Amino acid sequence: GAVVSQHPSWVICKSGTSVKIECRSLDFQATTMFWYRQFPKQSLMLMATSNEGSKATYEQGVEKDKFLINHASLTLSTLTVTSAHPEDSSFYICSAARQGAWGNQPQHFGDGTRLSIL
Amino acid sequence: SQKIEQNSEALNIQEGKTATLTCNYTNYSPAYLQWYRQDPGRGPVFLLLIRENEKEKRKERLKVTFDTTLKQSLFHITASQPADSATYLCALGDAGNMLTFGGGTRLMVKP
Repeated sequence: GAVVSQHPSWVICKSGTSVKIECRSLDFQATTMFWYRQFPKQSLMLMATSNEGSKATYEQGVEKDKFLINHASLTLSTLTVTSAHPEDSSFYICSAARQGAWGNQPQHFGDGTRLSIL
Repeated sequence: SQKIEQNSEALNIQEGKTATLTCNYTNYSPAYLQWYRQDPGRGPVFLLLIRENEKEKRKERLKVTFDTTLKQSLFHITASQPADSATYLCALGDAGNMLTFGGGTRLMVKP
């Protein structure tokens, strides 16, 4: 299989706190990882694409200084929500694509992180 | 702009029947299309992928069709079971592994 582990599964913290979310591919190497945000009853919205060893590519409207992404190895990417505010509360999901795979490949998703900012 | 439409209303069917979900798109020429299942509070799970040059793909009780002229994909679940109840997402992909997701359709299979 292709297992992606995301941690933590939920976070509740005060406004102004920075929160780090980890995404790990457990049984495969992932050249590319993706970070999504999902609001209730809405679709997944791509925030950024994370490539191992290089800077992330952010989608239009996503603040790169607000959502820091690091992809230090082929099995780990992290998303840090800096100085989080209530409007950042959402469901954040990561996914990973296998190393060497290019195009026509499924993405393997973590189980998401529910972030609640008080 | 690109637009992917899935029926936002829930689809309610009786156990044993065939569920058919629709995914329509505009202003897009995808290299492939994928279907995912998402349960509440969980990440999506990959089900099927169909490429632009394929008309139909099957996997066990699942069948996907892809009509690039109509710009539409149909997703069928035959002999549906209550355990099939979930939200089903279609996603269009380009050659670079980038996916754009539809809003999903919630399927409810009643025993």
